[in-house]
Amino acid sequence: RKEVEQDPGPFNVPEGATVAFNCTYSNSASQSFFWYRQDCRKEPKLLMSVYSSGNEDGRFTAQLNRASQYISLLIRDSKLSDSATYLCVVNIPLSSNTGKLIFGQGTTLQVKP
Amino acid sequence: NAGVTQTPKFRVLKTGQSMTLLCAQDMNHEYMYWYRQDPGMGLRLIHYSVGEGTTAKGEVPDGYNVSRLKKQNFLLGLESAAPSQTSVYFCASTSDPRGVYEQYFGPGTRLTVT
Repeated sequence: RKEVEQDPGPFNVPEGATVAFNCTYSNSASQSFFWYRQDCRKEPKLLMSVYSSGNEDGRFTAQLNRASQYISLLIRDSKLSDSATYLCVVNIPLSSNTGKLIFGQGTTLQVKP
Repeated sequence: NAGVTQTPKFRVLKTGQSMTLLCAQDMNHEYMYWYRQDPGMGLRLIHYSVGEGTTAKGEVPDGYNVSRLKKQNFLLGLESAAPSQTSVYFCASTSDPRGVYEQYFGPGTRLTVT
């Protein structure tokens, strides 16, 4: 089983649509969770961290369910510029003061006019 | 600030050739990482460094070596390139070793081994 699993998509949606991405992780010791965005042939960049209480940044809402080991990202009112691959990222502690990030394979979103 | 830079951006190697990828960061970050990204695989950690002069193996270290002689630079070497090393290589750096804060990525190096 992969440590972080995402539906690779692609998700093809019209402008203005609401779209949701899901992610599951296998290591219950994980403490930090993120969504990164990667544009075609570019480097990943942090979109938002995911907090236990859920958090929102404009049109983007992230949720975490620790019991189910499940993370989600909701994008409302999709824009053409939202077209990208969204990476679910989870940290795994290696010791009390070190950890490593595990990246999902990414979910590709294509927003069409 | 340039952030994280990588050279070269593209390279084609023949099997058995060697090369070094250079990563440089100007954010005074202690922690640096080399990843490779292959289709359908996500980013996988090759090697990482927790400070000048120290390196450690990640998930897929075989066939690669690294050095961190200066805090701002992290070098990834391929001694004898193989077609399986065809990939996109990303360097990243962060101020936090626990994986709690953001990692900043360079623009990547696209390597093809024929």
